Amino acid sequence: QVHLQESGPGLVKPSETLSLTCTVSGGSINNYYWSWIRQPPGKGLEWMGYIFDSGTTNYNPALNSRVTISVDTSKNQFSLSLSSVTAADTAVYYCARSANSPYCIGANCNPWFNCFDPWGQGILVTVSS
Amino acid sequence: DIVMTQSPDSLAVSLGERATINCKSSESLLYSSNNLNYLAWYQRKPGQPPKVLFYWASTRESGVPDRFSASGSGTDFTLTISSLQAEDVAVYYCQHYYSTPPTFGQGTTVEIK
Repeated sequence: QVHLQESGPGLVKPSETLSLTCTVSGGSINNYYWSWIRQPPGKGLEWMGYIFDSGTTNYNPALNSRVTISVDTSKNQFSLSLSSVTAADTAVYYCARSANSPYCIGANCNPWFNCFDPWGQGILVTVSS
Repeated sequence: DIVMTQSPDSLAVSLGERATINCKSSESLLYSSNNLNYLAWYQRKPGQPPKVLFYWASTRESGVPDRFSASGSGTDFTLTISSLQAEDVAVYYCQHYYSTPPTFGQGTTVEIK
């Protein structure tokens, strides 16, 4: 059974870069989508972006190009980097996996992400000086 | 972005009674080429991450009790708990994966009356 675990600093100063790592155990990182999702206190869930397989990325435009997701297949880990943080970036950060569920138009099939399953336990990151 | 709106925001139901949660999307989640609705339902219990209950709008995840059911198509979806149990107290979310960015409903809190 796949297990995801987030790690990283729980406190980041304003204007600095937030960096988190998700370690995947019990399964391969290949041919899946790996996402970061966050939830600020009292607010809703926000998808931040994913990395597919070992290279393709897609980010939420709402984050204004501040986010980067990368993968280290040798360690079965993927990472989040969020630059120029402010207090509004204070949140519980989750990593999550999505299966690849290709959609086909005729004989032409393209990869696509499915629901988020499983999720990591989440890590609270506070942005404060 | 597709906006997901759940109703109600919270509901209190007696043990053994039915609980119904609605989810409405601002655009259709039905992909005509495969006739699938790109919608998932999650349950989040206190102190735990969300856990998927249903995907493709009505496909039950393995291990989910059959008192849970999900239905709907296009823009209107429903999650039903036919006989509420104490362990079902949680926040429930719908989420689309039809396009990027995937977005979530605001959540519905289910409590015992």
